[in-house]
Amino acid sequence: EAQVTQNPRYLITVTGKKLTVTCSQNMNHEYMSWYRQDPGLGLRQIYYSMNVEVTDKGDVPEGYKVSRKEKRNFPLILESPSPNQTSLYFCASSRQGATNEKLFFGSGTQLSVL
Amino acid sequence: AQKVTQAQTEISVVEKEDVTLDCVYETRDTTYYLFWYKQPPSGELVFLIRRNSFDEQNEISGRYSWNFQKSTSSFNFTITASQVVDSAVYFCALSSGTGNQFYFGTGTSLTVIP
Repeated sequence: EAQVTQNPRYLITVTGKKLTVTCSQNMNHEYMSWYRQDPGLGLRQIYYSMNVEVTDKGDVPEGYKVSRKEKRNFPLILESPSPNQTSLYFCASSRQGATNEKLFFGSGTQLSVL
Repeated sequence: AQKVTQAQTEISVVEKEDVTLDCVYETRDTTYYLFWYKQPPSGELVFLIRRNSFDEQNEISGRYSWNFQKSTSSFNFTITASQVVDSAVYFCALSSGTGNQFYFGTGTSLTVIP
């Protein structure tokens, strides 16, 4: 089954403790991206990747890192999480390295930073 | 600058009523793409439609229809004879034909009352 898999589904952590949210897709998609969803703000793009080893900042990259060492994986790293990073996070991918294709989304990761 | 505005934060309708969700976008690009996504209470994001800037034809899919008007920079979504299963948050999104980012509106929460 074609899908984008995010883990974990729920995560509670404390301020400053490094964490990684994993994202993997099995569709051989070139484009992958991360979003955070906050009440009243909709979805905002954090980082995106056009292909392996090609990543770039979205609208809200501060406090986040990403890497794209393999085509299928695009982990989101929070080196020193803070409470304002409490949010619902979505990973997404699309077929080509351009934004004219629809996004396939993962199931989301609800992160709480205490 | 790219921007998507969904002015309706919450809408409630009684089942079988028609409802229109508004989406207004801003872009300087001549080539761009517009999308609608649905987020039911279960939380996943489901693709509904993609439209490119050169195709102003309205689209109908069952009870769903979309009206794209470049003159008013709008891409509105109408649900005819609404059903309880239509209750969800609906997001409008924009991507540039030359850029690599997606821009989402803040979403409209639709509640269909039985």
